[in-house]
Amino acid sequence: DAGVTQSPTHLIKTRGQQVTLRCSPKSGHDTVSWYQQALGQGPQFIFQYYEEEERQRGNFPDRFSGHQFPNYSSELNVNALLLGDSALYLCASSLGQLSPLHFGNGTRLTVT
Amino acid sequence: KNEVEQSPQNLTAQEGEFITINCSYSVGISALHWLQQHPGGGIVSLFMLSSGKKKHGRLIATINIQEKHSSLHITASHPRDSAVYICAVYNTDKLIFGTGTRLQVFP
Repeated sequence: DAGVTQSPTHLIKTRGQQVTLRCSPKSGHDTVSWYQQALGQGPQFIFQYYEEEERQRGNFPDRFSGHQFPNYSSELNVNALLLGDSALYLCASSLGQLSPLHFGNGTRLTVT
Repeated sequence: KNEVEQSPQNLTAQEGEFITINCSYSVGISALHWLQQHPGGGIVSLFMLSSGKKKHGRLIATINIQEKHSSLHITASHPRDSAVYICAVYNTDKLIFGTGTRLQVFP
């Protein structure tokens, strides 16, 4: 039973570019959340998807957008990349909202 | 002031010691998670609790809803317990994280 898988594991982009990160939830999970973790900081909630809709959103600009597909996998898109977007991006899945979270290993994004 | 505060920020211990990590929060919550993050980034969920106490192996988590406080205890600590431990609370459907406690256990 595969856990949460994220791709790619590492990515280097240039300021102004756009990036798409992908997440496949643990089998049977229907809820996917995305988090940004800057170096030395705790994760920050970006948004959560359930039934292909964004259910909740943290304090992130509209440059951050997402999508959930019918198979519950999800994408995180970031437009007009800034140096400050360099971080570890974590995806977590769960069955519904108030259930244990399963995290992927993250995508480390570096913006130069 | 952060909505979720953890203490201590850093902790060193000798193998076998009893460890306590504290988490205080200032918002209403529906549940609290204790997470473990190893170097390289992978996060493992240790506990999710909304009341009382949970135990798994050498790990014990407690929560006091009235006092808005939770503790994570590690009994008979081991070098493989070295990691960052993060407290996170569910508030209005959003997960708010503490900044973590870095634990190093030496043989």
